[in-house]
Amino acid sequence: KQEVTQIPAALSVPEGENLVLNCSFTDSAIYNLQWFRQDPGKGLTSLLLIQSSQREQTSGRLNASLDKSSGRSTLYIAASQPGDSATYLCAVTFGNEKLTFGTGTRLTIIP
Amino acid sequence: EPEVTQTPSHQVTQMGQEVILRCVPISNHLYFYWYRQILGQKVEFLVSFYNNEISEKSEIFDDQFSVERPDGSNFTLKIRSTKLEDSAMYFCASSEESPGRAKNIQYFGAGTRLSVL
Repeated sequence: KQEVTQIPAALSVPEGENLVLNCSFTDSAIYNLQWFRQDPGKGLTSLLLIQSSQREQTSGRLNASLDKSSGRSTLYIAASQPGDSATYLCAVTFGNEKLTFGTGTRLTIIP
Repeated sequence: EPEVTQTPSHQVTQMGQEVILRCVPISNHLYFYWYRQILGQKVEFLVSFYNNEISEKSEIFDDQFSVERPDGSNFTLKIRSTKLEDSAMYFCASSEESPGRAKNIQYFGAGTRLSVL
């Protein structure tokens, strides 16, 4: 069964620190992987898309990496800010129509 | 910046009633999706839609559910006879590229919170 896992479920970090969020998936035959941000009670904001042929993508303070052979992706956030507090979701397209989501990591940046 | 819009933001209904959730995808997108998220659980795929047809659906998407693109801009999800377990946040998404393409980015709306009493 194709599954996406995110550990830890929650993470608290002091403001200004760099941090890494983890995502693992069970099948290396993926089309792409997307990282989303979800604020409480809100929709999903796409942060980064990594295609299966790519190793990493960068947007501002965010950097996402992909290692298909080990079934892992990381989202690196540099110089964290209180506004980065949210739930971060990893979602994978395994080669069919749908995105398969992880359960997310709830990130709290402590001022 | 173009965005996916969903209405209403919150829908309260009685068990057994029909509800229609509405979405306006990004204008040049051709692929449309519905997902749902039960409180505290993962976001789950319901259905994808292209060229006026369902292209894939999950086991959740049973005969109580239907989707329609009634005109050139709206995309709707209908639940025929709501159950308590249908209470969830429902997200609409759209993409420009085919889901089978590596560049496919799905853009999500803010969601409709459905509460079935």
